[in-house]
Parts: sequence; structure tokens; C-alpha cells
Amino acid sequence: EEQLVESGGGLVQPGGSLRLSCAASGFTFSGHWMHWVRQAPGKGLVWVSRIKSDGGSTAYADSVKGRFTISRDNAKNTLYLQMNSLRAEDTAVYYCTRDRKYYYYMDVWGKGTTVTVSS
Amino acid sequence: EIVLTQSPGTLSLSPGERATLSCRASQSVSNSYLAWFQQKPGQAPRLLIYAASSRATGIPDRFSGSESGTDFTLTISRLEPEDFAVYYCQQYGSSPRTFGQGTKVEIK
Repeated sequence: EEQLVESGGGLVQPGGSLRLSCAASGFTFSGHWMHWVRQAPGKGLVWVSRIKSDGGSTAYADSVKGRFTISRDNAKNTLYLQMNSLRAEDTAVYYCTRDRKYYYYMDVWGKGTTVTVSS
Repeated sequence: EIVLTQSPGTLSLSPGERATLSCRASQSVSNSYLAWFQQKPGQAPRLLIYAASSRATGIPDRFSGSESGTDFTLTISRLEPEDFAVYYCQQYGSSPRTFGQGTKVEIK
């Protein structure tokens, strides 16, 4: 079964840092672009960041550019999101998602990990 | 950035009725790269439709998608109890990928 499992969420103070992980299984992780998508409480889905299959190219939403860094370890089948200078508005459930190879739609989603930024 | 506007915000219908959800793009969506997702409370989104009109694996044929220019439609032909949820459209033809704000389909 193709699966994504996020971890690393929690409560952090404003200005703090957190690193999210997403463990992939059941498919060839190194062959797929990967994304982080977030959802604030009671709100809609917002794309956060993308990394291509070899890690050589990344993209970010303007709201997180310069603060968040996406990366991957294809040997460990794991995607990461390093989040620095966290703000209250970063509070959300963070989902890891996979792009369908060659077609680019998000076809597999993890269950999400919750990040709460509060003092 | 392509802005996707979904309407209505909420759709109140009864089981067995037909649901028609709209998603309007602010500009052309490259290659018709428009997807629809279903999300139930406390769950991750689930892919229903990709490339505007192709059903994802395992999705019942009561779900269908269509396109007319920059207007996209998700139709649920006959609502089942498990279809009451929030639906999002998303374009993946250009960066940044963007989502609509969602349409909630609720039981009338």
C-alpha cells in the first residue's frame, strides 16, 4: 500500500522552529515530486512547498519563503519541512502529498501532523 | 497566481439528489490540469478527479468532472450519505498551485 506518514508536529512558541518529517512507503519515493500542504483550523487547503524528485528544485508559497525549507532524503524515503521563525498564522495541520509521476496531480496524501504556534 | 473561486459556499441537498459544484479560474488552466478533492472532518483530502474530467482510481462513476473554458464543474449524480463533505478544486498547471476555498455539501 502506498503510504505517507507525517510526524514532528507540536506546540511551539512564536519565533521558534520545528522540523516535520514524512515517511513514504509502498512506492518508489525517489521517482516522485513531493509537496507540503497546510490547513489552518476551520479553513481551506493551502499549498506550502514543492520539491522535485531529485531534490534539485524547490518552490515555496510567498507566505513561507525565507522561513521554511523543504528537503528530502531519497535513501531514507523521507520528506522534510524545516520551519523557522514560526508565527501564529502558521498554525495548521500540515499534509505531505505525492505527485502522480508524469501527471503531476496530488494522488496520495498523508493523514497530517498538527503544528500549533502559541505562547 | 491563478485564483480559483468555488460556488456555492454551501450546498444543502438530500440523499439521492444531484449536486453541481462550480470552480472558476481567474485565467486559463494549463493542460486542463484541474483536480477535485473531497475532505471529510478530521480526514485528509481524497483525490476524486484529475485533468478536469478523469476519475481517480476507485472513485464511483456518480462523480464526474467537466470543463468549459475557465469554468470547471464537479457533478455528483445521486448523493449518497457518504458524499456529504467539503469539496475543493485545485489547479496544478502552473506554480504556485492553488486551491479554491471549498464547497460544503450538507444534508438538507
